[in-house]
Amino acid sequence: DTAVSQTPKYLVTQMGNDKSIKCEQNLGHDTMYWYKQDSKKFLKIMFSYNNKELIINETVPNRFSPKSPDKAHLNLHINSLELGDSAVYFCASRAQGREQYFGPGTRLTVT
Amino acid sequence: KQEVTQIPAALSVPEGENLVLNCSFTDSAIYNLQWFRQDPGKGLTSLLLIQSSQREQTSGRLNASLDKSSGRSTLYIAASQPGDSATYLCAVGVDYKLSFGAGTTVTVRA
Repeated sequence: DTAVSQTPKYLVTQMGNDKSIKCEQNLGHDTMYWYKQDSKKFLKIMFSYNNKELIINETVPNRFSPKSPDKAHLNLHINSLELGDSAVYFCASRAQGREQYFGPGTRLTVT
Repeated sequence: KQEVTQIPAALSVPEGENLVLNCSFTDSAIYNLQWFRQDPGKGLTSLLLIQSSQREQTSGRLNASLDKSSGRSTLYIAASQPGDSATYLCAVGVDYKLSFGAGTTVTVRA
């Protein structure tokens, strides 16, 4: 069974469109994250939710809006996509004080 | 702001040689440190987690040490194999957040 899953795996879209990426974890973790990995492979945190509450927002443009309907899900909606949003987006989850588990990533290409 | 540096950026070794990957961080007030492996086009696989109160962790051929006072961690991989070829990422945990290094890309030649 996949611990942290993301859909879709690939997303190709045009500038100006709105898109969503979904994430689900079946580990019973309280904390979930979104990370962005850019073309130079550098990973940077975007958001963190703990028990459905936003606890970290790393100066991400407000075109990005996370939503956590329950502890097992953290979705990412992106409005008005720009070329610079092209990247791989990773979802992750963690139990308190324990290691983070990552999803397989969603490769977003904006043309 | 926590800065995490990994040296070297790339490493190529013959099969059987031991690997030594270095990670340094600027702020020693950390909760834990985690080492990951990333294969091309794939997600991150957690290798080892060291809590701030620990000095090292071991799993099979992998051993990671942590020296909080000097802001350093080292990942040792014994008797490397071609299957160990990947990018290895160090991430420092403070509260709910992980700060990542840029990674060391390892190639093990058969």
